[in-house]
Amino acid sequence: EAGVTQFPSHSVIEKGQTVTLRCDPISGHDNLYWYRRVMGKEIKFLLHFVKESKQDESGMPNNRFLAERTGGTYSTLKVQPAELEDSGVYFCASSQAVWEQYFGPGTRLTVT
Amino acid sequence: QKEVEQNSGPLSVPEGAIASLNCTYSDRVSQSFFWYRQYSGKSPELIMSIYSNGDKEDGRFTAQLNKASQYVSLLIRDSQPSDSATYLCAVILTGGGNKLTFGTGTQLKVEL
Repeated sequence: EAGVTQFPSHSVIEKGQTVTLRCDPISGHDNLYWYRRVMGKEIKFLLHFVKESKQDESGMPNNRFLAERTGGTYSTLKVQPAELEDSGVYFCASSQAVWEQYFGPGTRLTVT
Repeated sequence: QKEVEQNSGPLSVPEGAIASLNCTYSDRVSQSFFWYRQYSGKSPELIMSIYSNGDKEDGRFTAQLNKASQYVSLLIRDSQPSDSATYLCAVILTGGGNKLTFGTGTQLKVEL
């Protein structure tokens, strides 16, 4: 069974540009989560989808972040326009049951 | 006070010894607790989940939960150099939906 995949693995962009991160969850997992780890800090929750619906987006930092989940399958997280403080590692996780979440390899975003 | 606290380490143990990793949490009615292992530059890997007071064993790993003391621990028996990694404690806090709240992680070093 394939795990959670994320693309790209690394992105370097300039401040003010737009970046779109993609996550493909484990097949059959209705729950999809986005998390972020900024340097030196703990991993923090961004949002949670159940199928195509946003269940909880309480962790989204501001309206420069937009997450979508097309047809309840893969998800994208767009940052527009990117700021320096958006740099970090963005993880996607998925779960079938509501509790046990499996993480992808992450996308390392560097904003210069 | 952080919601989930871990000693950042590093915790150094000799090969073959028992490694004991500790985590405290602030919400006394939390129900779901997880340990993830993260190698440098890799994704967090779920290694244990525990929901009830007491011990849960899986191979060389034992998770211990004491809800009265708001304490969860991970024991690794017969530690191997390949166990050297950062161990993340994660909790689903009451009222937090399904989102994981992470500690900052404890770095474990198993020395030959």
